[in-house]
Amino acid sequence: KNEVEQSPQNLTAQEGEFITINCSYSVGISALHWLQQHPGGGIVSLFMLSSGKKKHGRLIATINIQEKHSSLHITASHPRDSAVYICAVRSSGETSGSRLTFGEGTQLTVNP
Amino acid sequence: DAGITQSPRHKVTETGTPVTLRCHQTENHRYMYWYRQDPGHGLRLIHYSYGVKDTDKGEVSDGYSVSRSKTEDFLLTLESATSSQTSVYFCATSRNYNEQFFGPGTRLTVL
Repeated sequence: KNEVEQSPQNLTAQEGEFITINCSYSVGISALHWLQQHPGGGIVSLFMLSSGKKKHGRLIATINIQEKHSSLHITASHPRDSAVYICAVRSSGETSGSRLTFGEGTQLTVNP
Repeated sequence: DAGITQSPRHKVTETGTPVTLRCHQTENHRYMYWYRQDPGHGLRLIHYSYGVKDTDKGEVSDGYSVSRSKTEDFLLTLESATSSQTSVYFCATSRNYNEQFFGPGTRLTVL
């Protein structure tokens, strides 16, 4: 079993729909990251959080440390949101830099 | 965006040949990382560096070596490439324990 599990693996939505991507992890963590990988391959960081909730534009990330679970929500989805969304965690025992363990990603397709 | 470049961006090579991938950053970030990305797997850490001449192994380090002689450059070497090393390789940097910034990736094919 992977330390970081994402669901669903693939998600297709219609423009305007509210989208939720889930991430569960099995280790104690000090931080959780959400990243976006564009169709061209580039990877950008969306959020880093260790508790509560963060919002940036139409994106909202939440984390429940007790349940070892995080969600990424996209409101009013748009075709340009089509990408792979990746969850990654830094374990609480990590002392060297910011070594991350990654989920396999969720492929999101938003149709017009 | 952090200024991170990777070279080459694409490479095709033959089994048994040595290959070196370069990651160059202009942000003076302390930490640098090499990952590989394969279908069915998330990004997996190959090696990382926490300073000049300070490197350590990641989870998939067999068959790879790294060097960091300057803050801005982190080299990944495949001493004798194998077909199992066909992958997309990403370099990343971070200033501290916060977000990582990724390079554009290098697609390597080993025939």
